[in-house]
Amino acid sequence: ELKVEQNPLFLSMQEGKNYTIYCNYSTTSDRLYWYRQDPGKSLESLFVLLSNGAVKQEGRLMASLDTKARLSTLHITAAVHDLSATYFCAVDVGNEKLTFGTGTRLTIIP
Amino acid sequence: DVKVTQSSRYLVKRTGEKVFLECVQDMDHENMFWYRQDPGLGLRLIYFSYDVKMKEKGDIPEGYSVSREKKERFSLILESASTNQTSMYLCASSLWGVISNQPQHFGDGTRLSIL
Repeated sequence: ELKVEQNPLFLSMQEGKNYTIYCNYSTTSDRLYWYRQDPGKSLESLFVLLSNGAVKQEGRLMASLDTKARLSTLHITAAVHDLSATYFCAVDVGNEKLTFGTGTRLTIIP
Repeated sequence: DVKVTQSSRYLVKRTGEKVFLECVQDMDHENMFWYRQDPGLGLRLIYFSYDVKMKEKGDIPEGYSVSREKKERFSLILESASTNQTSMYLCASSLWGVISNQPQHFGDGTRLSIL
């Protein structure tokens, strides 16, 4: 059974600081997705990572994938309040199904 | 833009009722999914479908069934609602196949309360 673990589960950080969210998964996969969810809202796709070494960047967020280590990271640079949300990683083992991590609730403090 | 529309944002039902949650997508996607989201548990897959009339069990199908009579519509059915089915339900759709390189697109969710 595929397990997807995110850490930390909760993260409070000051504006302007950098931090990384980690996503570990338990079986071979080369397709990983990052989503963002604002309170009371649905999930918004952030990144699609499709191969070992893939790196994607959008604004202050950068995601990477290491399939050998079964690890993806979501790095936040110089955080701003608008980035406060819950972030999910999700892994596809090739059968179109996604297994989600439990999410990281990020709060940016002024 | 892909649009996934769920019929209700909020729904309150009573124990034992039969409950229908409807989802429609407008991008001709082959795959459709139903998840439930609970605090501390993330999203868990209930059922999914690769095509019309097809359905596959996800990780937590007990107490649920689904229907896909048309490609654009995927319905989740709670045959006899129970209080432990109080949750946020999310529908998603995606293109078929690994070459699509596209993520799943989600609806706004239905917050269902069973009293």
